[in-house]
Parts: sequence; C-alpha cells; structure tokens
Amino acid sequence: AQSVTQLDSQVPVFEEAPVELRCNYSSSVSVYLFWYVQYPNQGLQLLLKYLSGSTLVKGINGFEAEFNKSQTSFHLRKPSVHISDTAEYFCAVISANFGNEKLTFGTGTRLTIIP
Amino acid sequence: KAGVTQTPRYLIKTRGQQVTLSCSPISGHRSVSWYQQTPGQGLQFLFEYFSETQRNKGNFPGRFSGRQFSNSRSEMNVSTLELGDSALYLCASSADRGTYEQYFGPGTRLTVT
Repeated sequence: AQSVTQLDSQVPVFEEAPVELRCNYSSSVSVYLFWYVQYPNQGLQLLLKYLSGSTLVKGINGFEAEFNKSQTSFHLRKPSVHISDTAEYFCAVISANFGNEKLTFGTGTRLTIIP
Repeated sequence: KAGVTQTPRYLIKTRGQQVTLSCSPISGHRSVSWYQQTPGQGLQFLFEYFSETQRNKGNFPGRFSGRQFSNSRSEMNVSTLELGDSALYLCASSADRGTYEQYFGPGTRLTVT
C-alpha cells in the first residue's frame, strides 16, 4: 500500500514570486509520481509525471518537480507564479506493478496568488 | 480529439434512491477509472475498467458498482443513496496499460438530500 502526504493545505504566494509545493510519499514498492492541478469547477489536469530517467521533470505551465528517492519526496516548483496559477494541486502515486493504474492522491494544496 | 465527457454534470437525489453516472472516454482509450472527491476524504479511487473487465477496486461498499461497454464507455451506479455519497465523481481515461497518464473529465456533482 502507498500513501501521499502534502504538508501544506494552503500556500499563499505573491504574484511573480517563486513557489514550492511539498509532497512526500510512502510505499513498500516502487512508484510512479504525478502532479495534477484542479481549477474551480473542473476536473484534474496532469501537470507532470515521473516514471523513470532524469529526476528533474518539467511539466506544463512552467512547473517542474524533482524526484528524491532517499527523501521519498516529489516537490513541485515554479520560479515565478501568475494569477492564473490559483488552483488546487494534488500529488499522486501509482504502484509500479504493471497493470495497476490506481492513483493514490494526497489531500491537496490550495495555491493562492496574491496580486 | 474530444476530451473525457461525463453526464450529467449535476444531479440531486433523495436518500434511498439510486443513481447512474455516465462517462465517455477519449476516443481510442480503453481504460476508465472512477474517483470520488469529497472535502472530508479527498480523492478516493472507486474502480477501474479495462476492456469491459473490472481490473481494480477501491474500498467502497457494494452499493457502488460499475461497468464498461464494448465501446469503452462506462457507467457507475450507486444504490440506496446516503447523505455521505454527496460528492464530485470524476472519471478518467487512459490509452492502455502502462501509459500511466490519466485524463480526467469535469465530473458529476451529486447531491443527496
């Protein structure tokens, strides 16, 4: 079984400032890692994913995340945020067992951009 | 390509009734997963269907069921509705095993009164 912890439920950031949203996971097997974004009254959109290879992953909208196996973390970063980044962000994992597509989500981090 | 569509978008039901939600995946996608999103429990996995077969199931009571048709469209059914079933139900599709990239629909917001 796996679990995901998003330490910050809410993160307020000034526009054009950098942001880091933290995510830690726990699993007895290898996992694949994801960040999703949810805008108000919408479904989830995939920002980026880590399956293998380079531990620094670049996604859409200028976001990137770094996989750190020793710290079991997958923090999301953006060097300069925009008002349009206001949304809820979810970290998620999938067990790396072939055929298992069940996503386990964290509780989410609400990012608020202050003008 | 059209995205994942879910119908209806909003639904109000009374305790004890049953409800059926529909999901049409992206064309060519064969895997459909369902998730429940509530303020208290967050996003929780319900079940996944691949080629008309249930491949994974979450920890929900038997009142929650689903199926997938030969065209990959999926339905989920909740019988004997309870107030706690009020939630946003999200459907996600992916192309095939091993792609690990799920595309979500806008969800169906179910309110049970």
